[in-house]
Amino acid sequence: GAGVSQTPSNKVTEKGKYVELRCDPISGHTALYWYRQSLGQGPEFLIYFQGTGAADDSGLPNDRFFAVRPEGSVSTLKIQRTERGDSAVYLCASSPGFSYEQYFGPGTRLTVT
Amino acid sequence: GQQVMQIPQYQHVQEGEDFTTYCNSSTTLSNIQWYKQRPGGHPVFLIQLVKSGEVKKQKRLTFQFGEAKKNSSLHITATQTTDVGTYFCAGQGTGANNLFFGTGTRLTVIP
Repeated sequence: GAGVSQTPSNKVTEKGKYVELRCDPISGHTALYWYRQSLGQGPEFLIYFQGTGAADDSGLPNDRFFAVRPEGSVSTLKIQRTERGDSAVYLCASSPGFSYEQYFGPGTRLTVT
Repeated sequence: GQQVMQIPQYQHVQEGEDFTTYCNSSTTLSNIQWYKQRPGGHPVFLIQLVKSGEVKKQKRLTFQFGEAKKNSSLHITATQTTDVGTYFCAGQGTGANNLFFGTGTRLTVIP
């Protein structure tokens, strides 16, 4: 079946702009995670959804970052007033539930110029 | 806060040699997962360990979870060029919702 998909695959934006990154999880997976990965580093947790609600958003770096999952399926990560330090690959993962293995999407490479 | 460290950061081996990466957590974990990320790719799940002292094997890969549930290791026997990539451990703390990924070990296999 289809895996996790993410769009766009690449996004170049100017400093100060607003961006939205989309994640389409595996059908039926109730858990959805967002991570950020910088070059040479491991994925850094941002936020976890169980169904429609954000069960844990402790990894969001500041209030410029926000994520939603209104119908318990597709999720959007929103970044306001982007900064050059936000440049990274943003990974989405879904899971059948809490504490199960996570299936990662291909990521969105965000470059802030 | 919770930290997960891995050593070594890089490892170059001749094809056919063995390889081991070690993972250490600053806190006790409820479970640990291992992922492999090929260059330019995304992390792919390998295995999950839950029990203290647990050992699991997948063909040439052997995974161990320490007795104190604070450390883990991945051992690859007789490496092949297809083993190239970065291996991450990811620990989940007791009662935590998220995984803390280790720093990763980048494996290069020389043919």
